[in-house]
Amino acid sequence: AQSVSQHNHHVILSEAASLELGCNYSYGGTVNLFWYVQYPGQHLQLLLKYFSGDPLVKGIKGFEAEFIKSKFSFNLRKPSVQWSDTAEYFCAGGGSNTGKLIFGQGTTLQVKP
Amino acid sequence: GAGVSQSPRYKVAKRGQDVALRCDPISGHVSLFWYQQALGQGPEFLTYFQNEAQLDKSGLPSDRFFAERPEGSVSTLKIQRTQQEDSAVYLCASSSTGGGRMNTEAFFGQGTRLTVV
Repeated sequence: AQSVSQHNHHVILSEAASLELGCNYSYGGTVNLFWYVQYPGQHLQLLLKYFSGDPLVKGIKGFEAEFIKSKFSFNLRKPSVQWSDTAEYFCAGGGSNTGKLIFGQGTTLQVKP
Repeated sequence: GAGVSQSPRYKVAKRGQDVALRCDPISGHVSLFWYQQALGQGPEFLTYFQNEAQLDKSGLPSDRFFAERPEGSVSTLKIQRTQQEDSAVYLCASSSTGGGRMNTEAFFGQGTRLTVV
């Protein structure tokens, strides 16, 4: 069965700390992977996406993620978080021939100033 | 429009009442998706349209849920005889590509928060 799982449900960091949020997927066939962010009171926004090619993808606001096929992982990283990164983060996967996305449960990130 | 617009933003329904949730996708977007997001969970797929054709409705939880997109633009998600377990945020997303190809970004609306009392 297709699935996406996020290991950390709630992460608390101080400003300038490094961030890594885990995401693992189970998917038959070619998979496209995404990280979305939802700031308080706002809609889901795309942080970054992986379709093919370079497994290290860079997104907006200094975020990056690495696709490791052998580990079925697509972890999100940021070297130095800011208070404004406080939000909910969702990993999602979708097949290249299907429209739907399968989301993980989400990780709530709280950055303390 | 500038983004995906959903209305109403909040809806309180009495158990057994029918509700209709509206989604205005980004102009010209071929693909439209509905998702259901329960509290503390990630969004779960409900249904997918390519233009006016509903190509995938495998995520609709019961026959009380019905979605349409008659002119390939605005979509409505209807829930009949609402029950408490229907309480959730209903998200709409649109994408510029069609044919089931998801090689582009899906843009999400802010959602409709449905509370069934």
